[in-house]
Amino acid sequence: NFMLTQPHSVSESPGKTITISCTRTSGSINNNYVQWYQQRPGSPPSNVIYEDNQRPSGVPDRFSASIDGSSNSASLTISGLKTEDEADYYCQSSDNSKKVFGRGTKVTVL
Amino acid sequence: QVQLVESGGGVVQPGGSLRISCAAAGFTFSSYGMHWVRQAPGKGLEWLTFIRYDGNKKYYEDSVKGRFSISRDNSNNTLDLQMDSLTVEDTALYYCAKDSEGYCNSPGCSHFGSWGQGTLVTVSS
Repeated sequence: NFMLTQPHSVSESPGKTITISCTRTSGSINNNYVQWYQQRPGSPPSNVIYEDNQRPSGVPDRFSASIDGSSNSASLTISGLKTEDEADYYCQSSDNSKKVFGRGTKVTVL
Repeated sequence: QVQLVESGGGVVQPGGSLRISCAAAGFTFSSYGMHWVRQAPGKGLEWLTFIRYDGNKKYYEDSVKGRFSISRDNSNNTLDLQMDSLTVEDTALYYCAKDSEGYCNSPGCSHFGSWGQGTLVTVSS
């Protein structure tokens, strides 16, 4: 079984850029796609990135993501931060028999 | 558009059982795998279980294996989760979620395409 490790929180000012990391503890990050979900208070999660770096329609191009095999991690970058980006962000990946979520990163836009 | 509406949540005593449901609409239910995901109060997301589009393959997270059972009725477009031997650690908001791609055979085949609003299960004496 593997885990996905994320920072607990990230804070930054509007207009700035943040990057949230997600490190896979065992097995290669390249083995299975990584997704990112945004969850605002009182709402279900919504997908902002799927299949490592693909944006669903309607998600602004301020959201981007990448995979780094050397650090066995994925990253979500949000540029031009807006107050509406304040939310919890979860990375998620899989193996053959289960889906695994990271513990989530709380993004605060100061 | 896709609609997923969970129901059946409530308060149950430790050791008790509860069955929650998810009513699906707006897509061909019988073509998509379905999942249950939960979120304890103030905590993160936890994937629980997946059922294949035809109901013939099921997967469970270790923490619920043997206690929870997922099922579906493709003629009525409903997804169920039977929860037995409940503990206080099972207290959470339970979401049903749909695969983004049809005809997936395993939980990792595709990402979550849609989510319901959740139903709250509270295990307390």
